[in-house]
Amino acid sequence: AQSVSQHNHHVILSEAASLELGCNYSYGGTVNLFWYVQYPGQHLQLLLKYFSGDPLVKGIKGFEAEFIKSKFSFNLRKPSVQWSDTAEYFCAVNEGNNRLAFGKGNQVVVIP
Amino acid sequence: NAGVTQTPKFQVLKTGQSMTLQCAQDMNHNSMYWYRQDPGMGLRLIYYSASEGTTDKGEVPNGYNVSRLNKREFSLRLESAAPSQTSVYFCASSEGPSIGNQPQHFGDGTRLSIL
Repeated sequence: AQSVSQHNHHVILSEAASLELGCNYSYGGTVNLFWYVQYPGQHLQLLLKYFSGDPLVKGIKGFEAEFIKSKFSFNLRKPSVQWSDTAEYFCAVNEGNNRLAFGKGNQVVVIP
Repeated sequence: NAGVTQTPKFQVLKTGQSMTLQCAQDMNHNSMYWYRQDPGMGLRLIYYSASEGTTDKGEVPNGYNVSRLNKREFSLRLESAAPSQTSVYFCASSEGPSIGNQPQHFGDGTRLSIL
């Protein structure tokens, strides 16, 4: 079964700081990768996705993620965060079957 | 543009009671899913339906049943609720049938407490 690891479950940073959230997965074959965001009191929304092609993908709200196949990683980055980026972020991985495996999430709090 | 609609939004049950969580999507998606979200655990798949007429177990199916009533609707039933089933339940849908290359769209969730 697919395993998705997200480290540093709680992240606190100030506005304008840079953010990087790590995501590692265990499957060695072809994967489809997603980052979802859940703002307080809301449902999950797709932030960005990688299926194939350029390993650096850009999503909404200035987020980007880089797929590094050799490291089984799909880290999320944003150069300068805002207070409105306070949310929980989930990495999700699918290996081509009918299951989407989610990581345990990163709770990010941005202090104004 | 409703997307994925879940009812109810909140529910409190007593141990042993039964209830059904409803989910409907208006995007003509083939695949639908039920997850539970618990603090520090992320989202765990309970059941999914790759297409109308099919259902399959996910990671944590025990204590639950599902019905894919038609293409739009996918319900989750707790036959005899237990405190361990206190959670936030999310329904999702995707174009499918293979979820590998399609993002999922989520409902607003049902917050369920079992006393």
